[in-house]
This record gives sequence, C-alpha cells and structure tokens, in this order.
Amino acid sequence: AQSVSQHNHHVILSEAASLELGCNYSYGGTVNLFWYVQYPGQHLQLLLKYFSGDPLVKGIKGFEAEFIKSKFSFNLRKPSVQWSDTAEYFCAVNPLGGSARQLTFGSGTQLTVLP
Amino acid sequence: KAGVTQTPRYLIKTRGQQVTLSCSPISGHRSVSWYQQTPGQGLQFLFEYFSETQRNKGNFPGRFSGRQFSNSRSEMNVSTLELGDSALYLCASMTQGGGLNTEAFFGQGTRLTVV
Repeated sequence: AQSVSQHNHHVILSEAASLELGCNYSYGGTVNLFWYVQYPGQHLQLLLKYFSGDPLVKGIKGFEAEFIKSKFSFNLRKPSVQWSDTAEYFCAVNPLGGSARQLTFGSGTQLTVLP
Repeated sequence: KAGVTQTPRYLIKTRGQQVTLSCSPISGHRSVSWYQQTPGQGLQFLFEYFSETQRNKGNFPGRFSGRQFSNSRSEMNVSTLELGDSALYLCASMTQGGGLNTEAFFGQGTRLTVV
C-alpha cells in the first residue's frame, strides 16, 4: 500500500523566513500530488496540485512545490512566510489507475509563524 | 457556487449509540469520499461513492457504512459507537469518475465526540 511521509511534525519560523516542508511518498506508478492547508477551525483547502508536466508547480498565497520523481518527493516551499501562514499542512497522493480516487495523506506539519 | 456542505457540524453521542452524518457535494460533482481525522491517526480514507455505488473502501470495521443518493448527497453511518470513533469526519467531493487529474474539495467536517 502507498504511504506518505512528512518528516517535520512541527516547524516554527519567524515572519519573512523561508519555508520548506518535506514530503515523500512510496508508490511506483503514476500519481497525482497535492498539498492541502488547514487553518484553525477551517476546512482543508487545496494549496497546489501536480498532475503532469512542469515539475515546479505554483499554488495560492505564494506557495510552490517541486516534484522530483527520482526521489519520490514533493516538497512545499515559500520564500517568505507570514503570520497568517500559521496552519497545518498536509501532503497527499492519489495513485492513478483503476477507478480509485483515494487520497493518502501524510501525518501533517504544524507550521507556527511568529510575528 | 456553493461548497461542500456537511451536517451537523458537531455531535455528541454516547457509547453504543449510532450516528448518521450527511454530506452534500458541490453541484455537478458525482463522487463523494469520506475521511476520518484524528490526532493520532491523521487523515484516513473511509470510502468513496460514485453514482450511488461504493467503489472503494478503507480499512475500517463494518460498523462504518455509507450510501449515496441519486442527487449525489451522501450519508455515512457509524453503529455501536466506541470512544475511539471520536474524530473529525470530512467529506470530499470530486468532479467525476475516472482516476485522472481530479482534485478533492473538502467540507468543514462533522466533529463527533463519543462519551
């Protein structure tokens, strides 16, 4: 079965610092990749997605992620974080093939940005 | 257009009782998936419905069941509640069948507390 690893459980940064959150998955076939964000008390929102093509994808709020197939990685980056980026971030994988639309999520990374 | 609507937002139930949660997907979306979110296990896939048929099921006991109606609205049911069923239950709607390049839109969830 596929799995998703997010190695950073809690990251604390000061405003304007750069962010990189790691995400690795284990699945040998073609995948769709996602980063979701969950602000306190709110629903999961899609930050960005990778389906195919350019491995560097840009999402909302200045976030971007790079898909490195050889490393099975999809790391999330932001050059300069803001206090409002404080939230929990989830990496998710949808393996393609068949009719399944099942997302496998990582355990999440809690990001705290200090003003 | 309206997002994914889950009702109720909060529930408190007693061990041994059963509970039914409801999800109305985005208009035009025919696929509905359910996820359980807990601090210990993270986000775990429960099941997915498309055109009133369950197409995929996660690793949960038979006490967890669901259905989908002809208008794509979905319900999930948990019978004989246990304390460990306390969780945030999330519903996700997706555009269509077919595994390629679909993204999930999440509702705000139903917070179930079992006492």
